[in-house]
Amino acid sequence: QKEVEQNSGPLSVPEGAIASLNCTYSDRGSQSFFWYRQYSGKSPELIMSIYSNGDKEDGRFTAQLNKASQYVSLLIRDSQPSDSATYLCAVNMRRVVRGAQKLVFGQGTRLTINP
Amino acid sequence: GAVVSQHPSWVICKSGTSVKIECRSLDFQATTMFWYRQFPKQSLMLMATSNEGSKATYEQGVEKDKFLINHASLTLSTLTVTSAHPEDSSFYICSAGRLLQGEKLFFGSGTQLSVL
Repeated sequence: QKEVEQNSGPLSVPEGAIASLNCTYSDRGSQSFFWYRQYSGKSPELIMSIYSNGDKEDGRFTAQLNKASQYVSLLIRDSQPSDSATYLCAVNMRRVVRGAQKLVFGQGTRLTINP
Repeated sequence: GAVVSQHPSWVICKSGTSVKIECRSLDFQATTMFWYRQFPKQSLMLMATSNEGSKATYEQGVEKDKFLINHASLTLSTLTVTSAHPEDSSFYICSAGRLLQGEKLFFGSGTQLSVL
């Protein structure tokens, strides 16, 4: 089982619709979850962070977390062509050794918003 | 927000040479920095965690003698790709932050390495 798993897509959504991105993770003890957006050839850009069960809204973006199901999602409302990018789910995971932590990324979902 | 500077942005080198990539935290002290590698159309794979003043922690499958990491100060970590080969060609990204406090990671702009 992969530590962080996403549907690789590609996902195609018409402009103005809702885009839904999903992610599952393996470490039940994980406490911090992030969604990044990455354009080709660029570094990831943080969109949302979520730490508690439930929904967190920021503008057109809503992150949802369900720790019991080990599931985190990102909804993009009123999708715009500029939202077309690869979206990366990232989970802060505990290391077995030394108790330190590391940020592990899913494989990313390529999203295309069609005008 | 915090800024992480990475240099160079891109580098082309001959097979067998070594390449050094620098990662600097500009407005905060980073006791820990992370080095990722990304192949085309793939996700970011954590290579190693750079710890200030101590040895780096490498992920399984990453050769520590090939990818040398030095974190000599609280604001600078370097990754040296030694004896580079074409299969080392990739996008290398550093990041810094304080994960233990649940804070965010900030990413450098990345280095595109092409080994001829």
